[in-house]
Amino acid sequence: GENVEQHPSTLSVQEGDSAVIKCTYSDSASNYFPWYKQELGKGPQLIIDIRSNVGEKKDQRIAVTLNKTAKHFSLHITETQPEDSAVYFCAARPSGTYKYIFGTGTRLKVLA
Amino acid sequence: GAGVSQSPSNKVTEKGKDVELRCDPISGHTALYWYRQSLGQGLEFLIYFQGNSAPDKSGLPSDRFSAERTGGSVSTLTIQRTQQEDSAVYLCASSLEGFSYEQYFGPGTRLTVT
Repeated sequence: GENVEQHPSTLSVQEGDSAVIKCTYSDSASNYFPWYKQELGKGPQLIIDIRSNVGEKKDQRIAVTLNKTAKHFSLHITETQPEDSAVYFCAARPSGTYKYIFGTGTRLKVLA
Repeated sequence: GAGVSQSPSNKVTEKGKDVELRCDPISGHTALYWYRQSLGQGLEFLIYFQGNSAPDKSGLPSDRFSAERTGGSVSTLTIQRTQQEDSAVYLCASSLEGFSYEQYFGPGTRLTVT
């Protein structure tokens, strides 16, 4: 079945450094790729998304890149801050469906 | 405005008991999802409601799980004869429509079956 692989499972970076999280999807019909941030005790919150007709999207310190040929997409966080510490999930949604396939999450720790 | 709310926030139950988990979506959102999040895992799709259409129950792991959505708003997820493997965080999300709009998640209900 469809799946999304996410790496790494944990990531520690020094404050001010960049963090990169990578995901690979299996369903070539996927055309929407959101990224969620989940803080302790809260539900996931959408932080950025990208559609398959775009290769890169940026929002301040956060950017997402998509390589449709290789079926992978990545989240880039620059100038990391302690408040960026959380669990990040990627997801893929096939065209014309409402089902999201989620990655297993990356626990990011930003060390002050 | 008010976001998605879920109750209870925590539930501890004994194996074999039934539990009900509640989700109040954002007003006006016609689509509602239930997910299960097990420790260290991603979100597992359980069920999807869209307006008055028949729900997609394809993600429910067994017939002990059921869900209802009354009046197109509040939803209840029921787990009968709970098992220890049911222990997880159950998340609800709503969106304006099924697959065109952002999902907004509730804080989840942490279920522990002892």
